[in-house]
Amino acid sequence: QVQLQESGPGLVKPSQTLSLTCAVSGASLSTGGFYWSWIRQRPGKDLEWIGHIYNNGNTYYTPSLRSRVTISLDTSKNQFSLKLTSVAAADTAVYYCARARKYILGADFDYWGQGTLVTVSP
Amino acid sequence: DIVLTQSPDSLAVRLGERATVNCKSSQSVFYGSDNKNYLTWYQQKPGQPPKLLIYWGSTRHSGVPDRFSGSGSGTDFTLTISSLQAEDVAVYYCQQYYNLPLTFGGGTKVEIK
Repeated sequence: QVQLQESGPGLVKPSQTLSLTCAVSGASLSTGGFYWSWIRQRPGKDLEWIGHIYNNGNTYYTPSLRSRVTISLDTSKNQFSLKLTSVAAADTAVYYCARARKYILGADFDYWGQGTLVTVSP
Repeated sequence: DIVLTQSPDSLAVRLGERATVNCKSSQSVFYGSDNKNYLTWYQQKPGQPPKLLIYWGSTRHSGVPDRFSGSGSGTDFTLTISSLQAEDVAVYYCQQYYNLPLTFGGGTKVEIK
């Protein structure tokens, strides 16, 4: 059974860096065929894909956040991380980590973490 | 970016009746080389992450009840719950994986009438 668990601060000040980690159990980040992804859901209901990373370290980010986002992999700890710099109130959201099944063109998400609420506030 | 527009925003259906959710894509998500529609449906219950229901537009994910079905091709897709159960109350999202960035529809809330 694949499980993902997000961790990190629930409150970040404006202009600072949001840092989250996703610990994975039941699957190895070194295994091919999957991307390891971050998705957020701002208050209301919209889901927004932030980006993902493959086991070779290749990363893909959504264009609107590309200048502020870094996703990295730590295969020794079987976890991956998200850093989002220069945050503002608009970055307040529930952040999910997820496993994405890799296909020829893109990916869908078969396992998700429970999500962690990050609030950007002074 | 591919924009997915879901309709309606919400609907209320009696227990045991059919619920239909629509998803329209701003461009085709059908890939002729493998003859597949790169579209997925998720179910999200309050306080929970989304759960994968349907992929390739019409293939049920493992463990998903057969009252859930997906149909459509190209730009127009439908998720149907053939006989609504109380546990189906949720928000339903479509997602395209035809190209990057991966995008989601705005969601449709399904409630009991």
